[in-house]
Amino acid sequence: DGGITQSPKYLFRKEGQNVTLSCEQNLNHDAMYWYRQDPGQGLRLIYYSQIVNDFQKGDIAEGYSVSREKKESFPLTVTSAQKNPTAFYLCASTDPSGRQGPLYGYTFGSGTRLTVV
Amino acid sequence: GENVEQHPSTLSVQEGDSAVIKCTYSDSASNYFPWYKQELGKRPQLIIDIRSNVGEKKDQRIAVTLNKTAKHFSLHITETQPEDSAVYFCAASRGSSASKIIFGSGTRLSIRP
Repeated sequence: DGGITQSPKYLFRKEGQNVTLSCEQNLNHDAMYWYRQDPGQGLRLIYYSQIVNDFQKGDIAEGYSVSREKKESFPLTVTSAQKNPTAFYLCASTDPSGRQGPLYGYTFGSGTRLTVV
Repeated sequence: GENVEQHPSTLSVQEGDSAVIKCTYSDSASNYFPWYKQELGKRPQLIIDIRSNVGEKKDQRIAVTLNKTAKHFSLHITETQPEDSAVYFCAASRGSSASKIIFGSGTRLSIRP
């Protein structure tokens, strides 16, 4: 999966339940991102982290939470406060310094499709 | 705030013809402009990018142009083939330590046989 792995591929959530989406990368990238993609729409930024133990809200952070305890991992929790969580979730990473490859380009994971049942 | 607008939202062209997708951005500090291709159910893949010190870049049948004064950039695909059918996203970034990328809303390109 090009060095960035998302799991599970499909996830079903019941009403009022919190679920956590996994994102792991072995690219030694500093920065990691979570995007949400709804059918026929673009990618909207949920959270991003440029360094371990630090993260920033994106454009649609409400109802989501993240942690960045390790450089390799950036899990996303979809909480019960997120009223419309059904979507395709994409994790990405990049190396802002350019040491690991092309400057600024993202590498995406293969995504997790979350459905509320 | 930062915004990237992309047009058209859907585009259908005859196989062998050219396709052009246009984007505008609002943040004048943006200096990195990647284009991604997303096939159905798959992850976006970087296909070409351009930086603000370059006006045009070409890679085989794909080219990107940038007009920094007007704050717009375009993707050109020549001699289109069926495998070009996908959703294409433009994006813009300041390309610094604050390296988040803002995406356009996407263009669904269909190639008619």
